[in-house]
Amino acid sequence: NAGVTQTPKFRVLKTGQSMTLLCAQDMNHEYMYWYRQDPGMGLRLIHYSVGEGTTAKGEVPDGYNVSRLKKQNFLLGLESAAPSQTSVYFCASSYIRNNEQFFGPGTRLTVL
Amino acid sequence: DAKTTQPPSMDCAEGRAANLPCNHSTISGNEYVYWYRQIHSQGPQYIIHGLKNNETNEMASLIITEDRKSSTLILPHATLRDTAVYYCIALNAGGTSYGKLTFGQGTILTVHP
Repeated sequence: NAGVTQTPKFRVLKTGQSMTLLCAQDMNHEYMYWYRQDPGMGLRLIHYSVGEGTTAKGEVPDGYNVSRLKKQNFLLGLESAAPSQTSVYFCASSYIRNNEQFFGPGTRLTVL
Repeated sequence: DAKTTQPPSMDCAEGRAANLPCNHSTISGNEYVYWYRQIHSQGPQYIIHGLKNNETNEMASLIITEDRKSSTLILPHATLRDTAVYYCIALNAGGTSYGKLTFGQGTILTVHP
């Protein structure tokens, strides 16, 4: 099992550009999450999904969109990147609500 | 979810037990105590969780006081690879938090030779 994988690992964008971060899990988990982590800070939840075809907003959803067309994939989109979105993005999944979450290795995004 | 308080940093000698405390004095009856850790530049890793009984798994032990106002994570034989930031989280398993993990500042554990 690969667990939770994230693509890409690193990316540099210019302000106003768009991109999509891909998260994939092979554990048949129902729940998936996108977090961001800024230097010296804890994780903040951006969006989450409780099953295929569902998405919901977390703490800091503004400027991001998500989609979960397939159970194993959870996509995070930035339509018009801003320097404030420079961060490390982590995807996670869990089998049921509030059970242990498995995290991916992270995507380091820099917006210039 | 209840607020948790942890010491900012701790040291431990390799091979010795590392005891990481966490205070959660406002925890409610249906809130679990979760521990995660984050090794530098990696994604967080689940360690253990419990409600009121002590728990043990292959990674660690979790001791929760009888009044549930505090807990201690024990790494029985710390190695250099256990150097990480350790997060204690109180999470309402029966609520609507949908797994929203709120990571505070955590404890930076440094294991030295």
